[in-house]
Amino acid sequence: SYVLTQPPSVSEAPGKTATITCGGNNIGSKNVHWYQQKPGQAPVLVVYDDSDRPSGIPERFSGSNSGNTATLTISRVEAGDEADYYCQVWDSTSDHPYVFGPGTKVAVL
Amino acid sequence: QVQLVESGGGLVKPGGSLRLSCAASGFALRDHYMDWIRQAPGKGLEWIAYISSDGSIIYHADSVKGRFTISRDNAKNTLYLQMNSLTTDDTAVYYCARVYYGMDVWGQGTTVTVSS
Repeated sequence: SYVLTQPPSVSEAPGKTATITCGGNNIGSKNVHWYQQKPGQAPVLVVYDDSDRPSGIPERFSGSNSGNTATLTISRVEAGDEADYYCQVWDSTSDHPYVFGPGTKVAVL
Repeated sequence: QVQLVESGGGLVKPGGSLRLSCAASGFALRDHYMDWIRQAPGKGLEWIAYISSDGSIIYHADSVKGRFTISRDNAKNTLYLQMNSLTTDDTAVYYCARVYYGMDVWGQGTTVTVSS
């Protein structure tokens, strides 16, 4: 089945930009979704279809996808952005159609 | 408001069974594909099952295939996960999620602990 890779952790100072990558074979041909999960809480969708934001998600969260890498960018990082972030794709060629990345822990220094 | 509420989790012995429920409110379940996702303690998210809006298309992850069954009752606005032959590896928080441009609505999760 399709495999996604993410860095285990990313650290950034408040006000800076945090970048989280999601690697996969020709991932640019798929729609990528991103989820934020804070400790003890359910995941929340922050970006869908590579770069769109659900209602209520700050513009500081943006996404892109090309080639073998999708990226979630958090601009002007805040303490409240500390969380685990997961990328996810739908693999229509598989009978295991949903794939999550292993997750990236974002720490705000 | 749009909400999903899971129930049915608990402590069960290896080899036992549980049925999880996911009650939808604020929207018509029949209009949406649905998923079950789980998260073992300290681990990442694992997708385990998917069902189309009318129940005609179903997928299960290899890790649960043959043991777990996803189903739905659109008249009751409820999604189910029947779990049989449970092992300690099935210990996790189980979430249901609505599929709409990604998984846009998640329940709060229900905890399943498999232990003797």
